[in-house]
Amino acid sequence: DADVTQTPRNRITKTGKRIMLECSQTKGHDRMYWYRQDPGLGLRLIYYSFDVKDINKGEISDGYSVSRQAQAKFSLSLESAIPNQTALYFCATSDIYQGGRGTSGRVALDEQFFGPGTRLTVL
Amino acid sequence: GESVGLHLPTLSVQEGDNSIINCAYSNSASDYFIWYKQESGKGPQFIIDIRSNMDKRQGQRVTVLLNKTVKHLSLQIAATQPGDSAVYFCAENGGSNYKLTFGKGTLLTVNP
Repeated sequence: DADVTQTPRNRITKTGKRIMLECSQTKGHDRMYWYRQDPGLGLRLIYYSFDVKDINKGEISDGYSVSRQAQAKFSLSLESAIPNQTALYFCATSDIYQGGRGTSGRVALDEQFFGPGTRLTVL
Repeated sequence: GESVGLHLPTLSVQEGDNSIINCAYSNSASDYFIWYKQESGKGPQFIIDIRSNMDKRQGQRVTVLLNKTVKHLSLQIAATQPGDSAVYFCAENGGSNYKLTFGKGTLLTVNP
């Protein structure tokens, strides 16, 4: 989806290097996410952010950090890359469900829009 | 079929046939489900979603069925085309308003 862009699209780096993956969106969504995808493991959530001042860890945040520079920008950093961080990384955005609150009365989740992905190889 | 947590299964169909991709979810608190399509080299693309107050939802050539009793979700694609060849993921929200848990995907191959 051209509304969510990721840079770089491919990156090869060495163990111990610092890497930053960037994500930008023009959808005007407050919520942004970083996932990694590994063969046979599906998509796993690394970090998510509900707005510029809100950052939360996902299920596999160890070894990663993020920065929400603006509503439209959410970057993922690997401070010291290691080979098992070789994966496909996706950024996603979402809005609040416009239909109102969910069945439990809370704000409901809505679909997530994904970027094209960054293929990262750590040697 | 697929379970949120198992190996990537495959489905091969002939062009023009209907396809059914299955997904078993485990979290009874989930009240929102999505099907995504991922083509080679691209990010997941939304196909259709369904909330737990429904048991069926139709889109263009696609239908999602939700059976909460047995915690089962299916995606039906009518008149499957070569362009439908991709990996299909189901995702559930586990009752949360921020997090989706994705299945490992089903590889659909459409033979001409």
